[in-house]
Amino acid sequence: QVQLVESGGGVVQSGRSLRLSCAASGFTFRSYGMHWVRQAPGKGLEWVALIWYDGSNKYYADSVKGRFTISRDNSKNTLYLQMNSLRAEDTAVYYCATEHPTGTLESWGHGTLVTVSS
Amino acid sequence: QSALTQPASVSGSPGQSITISCTGTSSDFGSYNLVSWYQQHPGKAPKLMIYEGSKRPSGVSNRFSGSKSGNTASLTISGLQAEDEADYYCCSYAGSSTFVVFGGGTKLTVL
Repeated sequence: QVQLVESGGGVVQSGRSLRLSCAASGFTFRSYGMHWVRQAPGKGLEWVALIWYDGSNKYYADSVKGRFTISRDNSKNTLYLQMNSLRAEDTAVYYCATEHPTGTLESWGHGTLVTVSS
Repeated sequence: QSALTQPASVSGSPGQSITISCTGTSSDFGSYNLVSWYQQHPGKAPKLMIYEGSKRPSGVSNRFSGSKSGNTASLTISGLQAEDEADYYCCSYAGSSTFVVFGGGTKLTVL
């Protein structure tokens, strides 16, 4: 079955960088668009970014545009989120999710917690 | 990117039906019916319950149903059960610039 395992979270100082990974298995990774979604402590879900199945198109929320970069390595079945210039408001659990069909986040990982300290 | 508007909380007794609304603008929903709903229990990942407005993924109970009228989507849960107590989020495809927008979430309490 579909398995998505996020990693790379932790405590980081404001202004620093962090890279999250999402290891995928149980499905044909190269055929699916992939999302990152985050959830601040006690808050709702916030969409962060989407990358097409082949990496040809990428979309970002305004709150992260210019600071975060989504990418993927289909040979490694892995999705990434490079997060630069981190701010306290980026503190959240970050989930990866598959896109299928359009606009639907079909399967989710269990998330990785990022804490940005000042 | 404005969030879709959901009530903060709803409640119902076991066996009853409840409806959660999700209101947006025409730019949030576009001309599509690509609304999805997610259930999230505390400390757990969200789970897809409804997609494309009214379709249920395999394994989701038929007590869950979705609909959309104009700029308001709705999730109805019939025959409420204790395990339905969770947070529910609506989500819509909003076009190629914003792509996806979530609602603020609704906490369902089963009395």
